[in-house]
Amino acid sequence: DQQVKQNSPSLSVQEGRISILNCDYTNSMFDYFLWYKKYPAEGPTFLISISSIKDKNEDGRFTVFLNKSAKHLSLHIVPSQPGDSAVYFCAAQEYGNKLVFGAGTILRVKS
Amino acid sequence: DAGVTQSPTHLIKTRGQHVTLRCSPISGHKSVSWYQQVLGQGPQFIFQYYEKEERGRGNFPDRFSARQFPNYSSELNVNALLLGDSALYLCASSGPGQGSSYEQYFGPGTRLTVT
Repeated sequence: DQQVKQNSPSLSVQEGRISILNCDYTNSMFDYFLWYKKYPAEGPTFLISISSIKDKNEDGRFTVFLNKSAKHLSLHIVPSQPGDSAVYFCAAQEYGNKLVFGAGTILRVKS
Repeated sequence: DAGVTQSPTHLIKTRGQHVTLRCSPISGHKSVSWYQQVLGQGPQFIFQYYEKEERGRGNFPDRFSARQFPNYSSELNVNALLLGDSALYLCASSGPGQGSSYEQYFGPGTRLTVT
């Protein structure tokens, strides 16, 4: 059973526009959510996180929104840049323990 | 500051052999976790260690084992390798504090190929 789902395998956006990556989860015990970016042949790079007590967290061009009632979170990247092209993973955590990852979304930013 | 380091970078083994993968966490981090990533999937949790004690184990067979040393570095061991063990093995470290929600920072991974 997949506790964390990223239903869009890929997303293509134009440079300068907004990229929105979505993630759904089923376990209501998750209390911390993270987004990672991954290039081929490299480990995931931490981008941004959000605690379950918040509904929004912003860091530069990256904003994560959390809707607990819908068990849904999203990552907004504005403006999108060609260097943002990578695989983005959503991950959830229960009380500082293991990370549970989604399958990832491939983002392509076209110049 | 050095990030999480892993060795070796790449490894080719034959079915039935044994492999040891190594990880050094970020300085000051006391927790190390191991993940397996196969193509097209997200990383899957294998083990978590904190202060040399196992804090969690994922759904992997007993052929997989790990340990953490006094300097907080860690080893992942896999016995009796199968073709299906071919994957990218990722190590992540997180900051001090047990049971709190710290971000995990990943190393570059070890690419294991079993032939």
